[in-house]
Amino acid sequence: EVQLLESGGGLIQTGGSLRLSCAASGFRFDDYAMNWVRQAPGKGLEWVSSIWGSGGKTYYSDSVKGRFIISRSNSRNTLYLEMNSLRVDDSAVYHCMIHPRWYGATSPLDRWGQGTLVTVSS
Amino acid sequence: DIQMTQSPSSLSASVGDRVTITCRASQGIRNDLGWYQQKPGKAPERLIYDASILQSGVPSRFSGSGSGTEFTLTISSLQPEDFATYYCLQHNDYPLTFGPGTKVDIK
Repeated sequence: EVQLLESGGGLIQTGGSLRLSCAASGFRFDDYAMNWVRQAPGKGLEWVSSIWGSGGKTYYSDSVKGRFIISRSNSRNTLYLEMNSLRVDDSAVYHCMIHPRWYGATSPLDRWGQGTLVTVSS
Repeated sequence: DIQMTQSPSSLSASVGDRVTITCRASQGIRNDLGWYQQKPGKAPERLIYDASILQSGVPSRFSGSGSGTEFTLTISSLQPEDFATYYCLQHNDYPLTFGPGTKVDIK
C-alpha cells in the first residue's frame, strides 16, 4: 500500500526553524518527483515546493523562496522540508504529495500524506 | 504565473442533483489538470487527471472535460458522500497552482 507520513510540525516562534519529514512506502520513491503543499486554517491549498526523483532539480513558490529548502533521501525513502525564518503566515497544515508529472506524462499514482501542523506565533 | 479560477465558489445541492464546477486557466495548459476532493480534516484525493481520466477507484458519476484554458468537473448524481470541497490543480508549469476551491454542501 502506498503511504506518506509527515512529521516534524509544531509550535514555533517567529523567526525560528523547523524541519518536516515525509516517510514514503509502498512505491519506488526515487522514481517520483514529490511536492510539499500547505493549507492555512480555513483556507485553500497552496503549492510550496517540488523536487525531482533524483533530487537534481528543485522549485519553490515565491512566498518561501530563500527561506525553505526541499530535499530528499532516496536511500531512506524520505522527503524533507527545512523551514527557516518562519513567519506567522507560514502557519498551516503541510502535506507531502506525489507529483502529478511523471516522465513527461501524468502519473496515475496519487497519494497525499495526512499532513503535519505548523503554528508560528509572534 | 498561471492563475486558476473556479466557479462557483460554493453551491448548495440535493442528493441526486447534477453538479458542474468550472476551472479556468489564465493561459493554455493543454490537459495538465487534475481535480481533487477534500473532506474536512482529511487530505485531498484526486478524482480526475489529464482533465478527463478517472482516477482508479473513483465512482463513474465523476467526470471531467476540457483542454487549454477551460475545464469542468461534473458529478452526474450527487451522493451524500460527495459533499466536500473541490479543487483543480494545474501542473503544466511552475509554480503549480490550485484553484481557490468550490464547496459543495447540502441544500
